[in-house]
Amino acid sequence: GAVVSQHPSWVICKSGTSVKIECRSLDFQATTMFWYRQFPKQSLMLMATSNEGSKATYEQGVEKDKFLINHASLTLSTLTVTSAHPEDSSFYICSAGGFNQPQHFGDGTRLSIL
Amino acid sequence: GNSVTQMEGPVTLSEEAFLTINCTYTATGYPSLFWYVQYPGEGLQLLLKATKADDKGSNKGFEATYRKETTSFHLEKGSVQVSDSAVYFCALSGVTGGGNKLTFGTGTQLKVEL
Repeated sequence: GAVVSQHPSWVICKSGTSVKIECRSLDFQATTMFWYRQFPKQSLMLMATSNEGSKATYEQGVEKDKFLINHASLTLSTLTVTSAHPEDSSFYICSAGGFNQPQHFGDGTRLSIL
Repeated sequence: GNSVTQMEGPVTLSEEAFLTINCTYTATGYPSLFWYVQYPGEGLQLLLKATKADDKGSNKGFEATYRKETTSFHLEKGSVQVSDSAVYFCALSGVTGGGNKLTFGTGTQLKVEL
């Protein structure tokens, strides 16, 4: 089946640093990628939707200057958490969808800000 | 707007027991319906899907039937195994392809014991 690779799987960093998370679709062209945030024992909260070559669409309440999304190619989208603080600690998951493809999810990135 | 309601967990079963996880939805038009599974520390994996009324999705012994008259998509498995322990998410989207947002239920944790 379709594979989406997300990297890194786990990152710990100091407060104030920026962290970049990559999401790659390995065997199909992902016209749309989604970024989710998941708190412990809760469902996924959609943060933003990105289409290749255009600006991401952010959900209400998500700071676009805080969570920078780039979708420069049909196989790669990145989420950068800028000036991260402890409250940004969470599990971030990407998914990728394409023509006649349901969304396929990456394995997630656990972000811990000290 | 669209919404998905799942039964609350955790659901605890003995191995080889019958499983039902209820899911009902509210949506405009004719959504596609999905079940995703999330194992600890991982992203979501598509378990099965159905794209129109009366369709039955099935995979790895799990089944769910798209019931438009009751707006339901209940997940069933005849005999669960310890390895089925995970969180199960019911979801819907507006179209079959991956370019539309998924609306998730809150997830149901399944624990299977020997």
